[in-house]
Amino acid sequence: EDQVTQSPEALRLQEGESSSLNCSYTVSGLRGLFWYRQDPGKGPEFLFTLYSAGEEKEKERLKATLTKKESFLHITAPKPEDSATYLCAVRSGTASKLTFGTGTRLQVTL
Amino acid sequence: GAGVSQSPSNKVTEKGKDVELRCDPISGHTALYWYRQSLGQGLEFLIYFQGNSAPDKSGLPSDRFSAERTGGSVSTLTIQRTQQEDSAVYLCASSSDVKEKLFFGSGTQLSVL
Repeated sequence: EDQVTQSPEALRLQEGESSSLNCSYTVSGLRGLFWYRQDPGKGPEFLFTLYSAGEEKEKERLKATLTKKESFLHITAPKPEDSATYLCAVRSGTASKLTFGTGTRLQVTL
Repeated sequence: GAGVSQSPSNKVTEKGKDVELRCDPISGHTALYWYRQSLGQGLEFLIYFQGNSAPDKSGLPSDRFSAERTGGSVSTLTIQRTQQEDSAVYLCASSSDVKEKLFFGSGTQLSVL
């Protein structure tokens, strides 16, 4: 059974203070690792998909990286509008569904 | 439409009543998913539809839960004889292909009193 563990559960940063969120996974044949952002009262919003170890993707202040065991979401010089819950998910083998972690709640203060 | 639409956005019901939740996927998307998100929990997979194939019902928690997708588009999730533990946000998502990313709706907040 696929497993996804995210850490930390919550993270508080000051504006401009860079940090990283971790997503550790156990799957049988990774077919994609997904990062989503979720704001209160809304559904998850897609950020990135990574398919193979060594792959990296960037969008504005966010950069996602992937190894054979984990993925990191690096946040550079965050702003208050980056405050949200960040979700990691995997798709494996012949499965159609995504298996999600419980997320990291990020708060960025002035 | 421009995105995945879910209705109602909020539903309050009494224990033992039946509820129906509706999902309108993005036009042309063949794959449709239902997930459940409880407070402080991750997204829990419920059911998946892909085109005319038999749905993957492996995530449905009990036989009180069922879902259908009519005409390859709109989907309805039905919960019979609701229990307090059914209280959660029910999220619908669609994608253009089983390999692609999921686009989520804003969810239905279900409260069972």
